[in-house]
Amino acid sequence: AQKVTQAQTEISVVEKEDVTLDCVYETRDTTYYLFWYKQPPSGELVFLIRRNSFDEQNEISGRYSWNFQKSTSSFNFTITASQVVDSAVYFCALTQSNYQLIWGAGTKLIIKP
Amino acid sequence: DSGVTQTPKHLITATGQRVTLRCSPRSGDLSVYWYQQSLDQGLQFLIQYYNGEERAKGNILERFSAQQFPDLHSELNLSSLELGDSALYFCASSASGGGRTDTQYFGPGTRLTVL
Repeated sequence: AQKVTQAQTEISVVEKEDVTLDCVYETRDTTYYLFWYKQPPSGELVFLIRRNSFDEQNEISGRYSWNFQKSTSSFNFTITASQVVDSAVYFCALTQSNYQLIWGAGTKLIIKP
Repeated sequence: DSGVTQTPKHLITATGQRVTLRCSPRSGDLSVYWYQQSLDQGLQFLIQYYNGEERAKGNILERFSAQQFPDLHSELNLSSLELGDSALYFCASSASGGGRTDTQYFGPGTRLTVL
């Protein structure tokens, strides 16, 4: 069965700390895509990144970086030098065999000033 | 701004009523998806339309229905509303039929409150 697990329900850190959000997935497919979305307090869902299963290179975008490891079925998200504006719920998702997204439960990230 | 628009932003109604939520996809996108996000259930996929045709169905109740029009905008109709239908309803769009490479871009959501 396909599944996405975000074991961290809530993380609280002080501004400027680095923080890593974990995402572990299960799939029998050899070709799949993983996503991260951000949901700030205002409520909208913002697309952050898409990664396919054949590309294990880590990705960096400013203060954001993603570590994809097929060996451990993980697609972790790190924010460096966190800021208050990073406070949000972050969702990891996986495309399943019928092409629909399977969503993790989300991790609520609180950045304290 | 994702380019996906949803109206209204907020909706307050009473049990037993019927409401219609509207979504306009990003320019050029052919697929529209509807999701329900409630506090206890997380993000639940309801239904997908591709170029006017129903493509996939998720956990959509029989009281709910949707359609996609020739101009590609979509409407989600919720009827015989119950208290438990109170939630944030998202529309998303993607370029094609929802293949693995498709990225879904979300609208700002409609917050429905049923009293």
